[in-house]
Amino acid sequence: EAGVAQSPRYKIIEKRQSVAFWCNPISGHATLYWYQQILGQGPKLLIQFQNNGVVDDSQLPKDRFSAERLKGVDSTLKIQPAKLEDSAVYLCASSLGSGRRNEQFFGPGTRLTVL
Amino acid sequence: DQQVKQNSPSLSVQEGRISILNCDYTNSMFDYFLWYKKYPAEGPTFLISISSIKDKNEDGRFTVFLNKSAKHLSLHIVPSQPGDSAVYFCAASPMNYGGSQGNLIFGKGTKLSVKP
Repeated sequence: EAGVAQSPRYKIIEKRQSVAFWCNPISGHATLYWYQQILGQGPKLLIQFQNNGVVDDSQLPKDRFSAERLKGVDSTLKIQPAKLEDSAVYLCASSLGSGRRNEQFFGPGTRLTVL
Repeated sequence: DQQVKQNSPSLSVQEGRISILNCDYTNSMFDYFLWYKKYPAEGPTFLISISSIKDKNEDGRFTVFLNKSAKHLSLHIVPSQPGDSAVYFCAASPMNYGGSQGNLIFGKGTKLSVKP
């Protein structure tokens, strides 16, 4: 079974530039999550999708971050414009459903450096 | 304000001995707890979980203990192996999501090193 795919793996941009990350979840997984992991911290949920609908985006900085999951499969996370404090690893995860017993499978992440 | 705390950034253990990783939480609404393991350049992988209706859950070499009155949980690895060397994250899920995993709150992680 293929895992969660993310691209790019690394990205370096200057502040005020825009950047987009892509995630392909495990086939058949209805729930998709984007997390931000700043160095030395644990992952923090940014947004959760159930199919193509948003379940929770309470911690997404909506003035600069946006995410979509068209057709309920792949997802993109965009930052526009980027700030220095956005430097982090962005993790995508997916699960069969949103119930507690549904294990979240994580991708390898995209490491973003904002200069 | 950290709701899930892992106060030990690192832990070093000899191969074959027991590793004990600790986690404290402050939010009484948490009723489901998980441990994830993370190798460098990889995403976290699920290890073991426990519901607040239990005080112990065991899976092979891994056991998680939950002390609700102390708001404390621990992960025991026995015996520890060099391949267990990784960062371990404690995570908690609040009950007000009505059964959905919802927002997992992660600790900062503890880096475990198991020396041969």
